[in-house]
Amino acid sequence: EVQLVESGGALVQPGGSLRLSCVASGFAFSDHYMDWVRHVPGKGLEWVGRSRDHSKSYTTEYAASAKGRFTISRDESTNSVHLQMSNLKTEDTAVYFCARVHCIGVYCYSGEYWGQGTLVTVSS
Amino acid sequence: DIQMTQSPSSVSASVGDRVTITCRASQGISIYVVWIQLKPGKAPKSLIYAASNLESGVPSRFSGSGYDTHFTLTISSLQPEDFATYYCQHYYNYPLTFGGGTKVEIK
Repeated sequence: EVQLVESGGALVQPGGSLRLSCVASGFAFSDHYMDWVRHVPGKGLEWVGRSRDHSKSYTTEYAASAKGRFTISRDESTNSVHLQMSNLKTEDTAVYFCARVHCIGVYCYSGEYWGQGTLVTVSS
Repeated sequence: DIQMTQSPSSVSASVGDRVTITCRASQGISIYVVWIQLKPGKAPKSLIYAASNLESGVPSRFSGSGYDTHFTLTISSLQPEDFATYYCQHYYNYPLTFGGGTKVEIK
């Protein structure tokens, strides 16, 4: 059974840093792209970024709002994907989800399996 | 960046009603749209991918159609468990972007 479990959400002050983790199980972790998506309370979903699979050297893509402040990395030893967030802003307050990406050819969407999310609150 | 414009932003409907949600892309994206359901406190759930393909385990009352810039999600007979917010997302290129969401509420 595919499972994705996020952790690391917390209350943090503006300008602070936080590292979110998503532990994957039930599938070949290194063979799949992984996404981070966030849901801002009272607003919509926003794609944050992506880690490609092992064959693509886990290269990454980011939304403009994340570029330069957020970094996605992987740890094969723990089947984890991490979202390191720095210089946090109040508008980063959201529930952060990880998702296993579904690829058909070269086209890949935030996919079939999602975690339950972890809440990040940025406030002074 | 490709903008995804969803309408309506909310709809009130009764159990058994047919509901249609529209998503328009700011440029042609072929079939590369996924529809996602979000309920409070729950993990998002993808329903339809590549515009019209039903995810495994998703009830057949959900269907999708469209190509290029115009896409629709239809719920043929609304059930109590379908009250939720629905989002379209394109995956034609980076960055992936979502529509603003459509909240389906009980009438």
